[in-house]
Amino acid sequence: ILNVEQSPQSLHVQEGDSTNFTCSFPSSNFYALHWYRWETAKSPEALFVMTLNGDEKKKGRISATLNTKEGYSYLYIKGSQPEDSATYLCAFYRGGADGLTFGKGTHLIIQP
Amino acid sequence: SQTIHQWPATLVQPVGSPLSLECTVEGTSNPNLYWYRQAAGRGLQLLFYSVGIGQISSEVPQNLSASRPQDRQFILSSKKLLLSDSGFYLCAWSLSGVRNGYTFGSGTRLTVV
Repeated sequence: ILNVEQSPQSLHVQEGDSTNFTCSFPSSNFYALHWYRWETAKSPEALFVMTLNGDEKKKGRISATLNTKEGYSYLYIKGSQPEDSATYLCAFYRGGADGLTFGKGTHLIIQP
Repeated sequence: SQTIHQWPATLVQPVGSPLSLECTVEGTSNPNLYWYRQAAGRGLQLLFYSVGIGQISSEVPQNLSASRPQDRQFILSSKKLLLSDSGFYLCAWSLSGVRNGYTFGSGTRLTVV
């Protein structure tokens, strides 16, 4: 059983502040690490697919880093806005035709 | 453009009744297809995945089964639902290859009573 852990489980952040949270995953048999944003009443939406150690990806105010040797990824949100409120999921991919193994997510609430 | 349709959106079924959830994908060929479930207080759990027609792999032994009768159709079924089958079911597709993210359907909220 693959263990993908996300912390914290939930997070309250003041509007305008920056924040970050963590995803840890097995460091062996690594192929890719995915990040998704899941807003209430919507489908999870892909943010990043990361494959290389040291990779850093950015989309607007959101960025992510990857350390495959130690098995963790950080997601950063700069200048949080109310529309950033969502559950952020990371998922580990070990290759082949297997599906992704998801963490339980970090539930982010941006307070005006 | 590619789209994914999943229905129904909500379902309330009695224990012991059958289940059929359907998912269809448009705008792509030979996608990988997946069924995930989120039970209360838990993360998304992979139930089944399929890389082609008639090819189904199961991740977790359970009361459910899946079928892929056509390239872009994926069906989740049960002959007799259990209370523990309650949850939020998501269908997803992806193209083969390590760099491709998943596209999820809108989900089905199943409550077994």
